Amino acid sequence: DTEVTQTPKHLVMGMTNKKSLKCEQHMGHRAMYWYKQKAKKPPELMFVYSYEKLSINESVPSRFSPECPNSSLLNLHLHALQPEDSALYLCASSHPTGFGLNTEAFFGQGTRLTVV
Amino acid sequence: EDQVTQSPEALRLQEGESSSLNCSYTVSGLRGLFWYRQDPGKGPEFLFTLYSAGEEKEKERLKATLTKKESFLHITAPKPEDSATYLCAVQESDFNKFYFGSGTKLNVKP
Repeated sequence: DTEVTQTPKHLVMGMTNKKSLKCEQHMGHRAMYWYKQKAKKPPELMFVYSYEKLSINESVPSRFSPECPNSSLLNLHLHALQPEDSALYLCASSHPTGFGLNTEAFFGQGTRLTVV
Repeated sequence: EDQVTQSPEALRLQEGESSSLNCSYTVSGLRGLFWYRQDPGKGPEFLFTLYSAGEEKEKERLKATLTKKESFLHITAPKPEDSATYLCAVQESDFNKFYFGSGTKLNVKP
């Protein structure tokens, strides 16, 4: 099973709302990622968790707050977003480097976020 | 400086017309190079991992190859269902980080 499950599939939120995106995997991967993808652009890395600890933050604004409650779950908390934050948010997981081979990342289907 | 460059940006083929997509990279200490297929509005679907120069992987009509500076995704006798954006990503040694190229949008006409 190489499935990464993201919920919700679609989300519309106002600029004063607080919402969360959820991601789950059961492949035993200990590296999990959040990416943001705008139309006709490649995925852009936001955060990396390795062994449930935040290891990379690509200078993402604080209105995005990641959380990794356990080795299978990854959340992205959203607050006071701007319309330009509208995008497809992708979660991915992989074995971490140093684990050996097979470090390819598997992606979820994404959450289509619209900020109004 | 871009670390991963894909060409062409877009490619239109007739069904059955074979071609190749290119991914060139400049990262030092390559940990792995990955090919993904992405359909509109969906997440990238993993295709291949290549770890060392000279390595080749095949899956149905697709074949990926790797040299020290670039990778090719060869598409043999493509079908309309192969139409998608093909993304290349590289991973540097010791970093849990994937750098994506901008992709090649493939359109296969029947």
